[in-house]
Amino acid sequence: AQSVTQLGSHVSVSEGALVLLRCNYSSSVPPYLFWYVQYPNQGLQLLLKYTSAATLVKGINGFEAEFKKSETSFHLTKPSAHMSDAAEYFCAVSGQNTGGFKTIFGAGTRLFVKA
Amino acid sequence: EAQVTQNPRYLITVTGKKLTVTCSQNMNHEYMSWYRQDPGLGLRQIYYSMNVEVTDKGDVPEGYKVSRKEKRNFPLILESPSPNQTSLYFCASRDSSYEQYFGPGTRLTVT
Repeated sequence: AQSVTQLGSHVSVSEGALVLLRCNYSSSVPPYLFWYVQYPNQGLQLLLKYTSAATLVKGINGFEAEFKKSETSFHLTKPSAHMSDAAEYFCAVSGQNTGGFKTIFGAGTRLFVKA
Repeated sequence: EAQVTQNPRYLITVTGKKLTVTCSQNMNHEYMSWYRQDPGLGLRQIYYSMNVEVTDKGDVPEGYKVSRKEKRNFPLILESPSPNQTSLYFCASRDSSYEQYFGPGTRLTVT
């Protein structure tokens, strides 16, 4: 069965430091991959998505992610953390190999940013 | 403004009392979905709909029903709610690139 694993339920960084949130997926074919962000008391919004074009994907708010097929990974990075980045981040996979219409989400990683 | 709306945003109810959470989207998306979010489990798909009158089970459909009589609306029905259905619920619609647009969420408490 398709699965998404996010390593680390909580990540803490200092303001200005590199942000790295890890995501690994299981898939026999390249899927569509997504990172969503959830701010407190809000719904999810799309940060970026991979849909089989460029392997390095740039998203909003300075985030980017690289699709690595050999490692089945789609890690999210940002060079310099800002206090406003504190939120919960979800990696998700969708496409034909998830049953055509299902989307599988990881358990989420909560990012804390210290001043 | 393109959006997904849900109502109510907060609901406290008792075991066994039927309830409906409404969801509406104004983007003319064919695909809509319901999720529940629980701490440490991320979002789990309850039901999804590929188009009007076409629905299918997600990963956690037990205890829930849905209907899709119009393209814009996709209500979630709990015929006999139980405490283990206390959760945060999200409705979403999806475009042709698989990007999903989420509603603001409905926090349900069943006592």
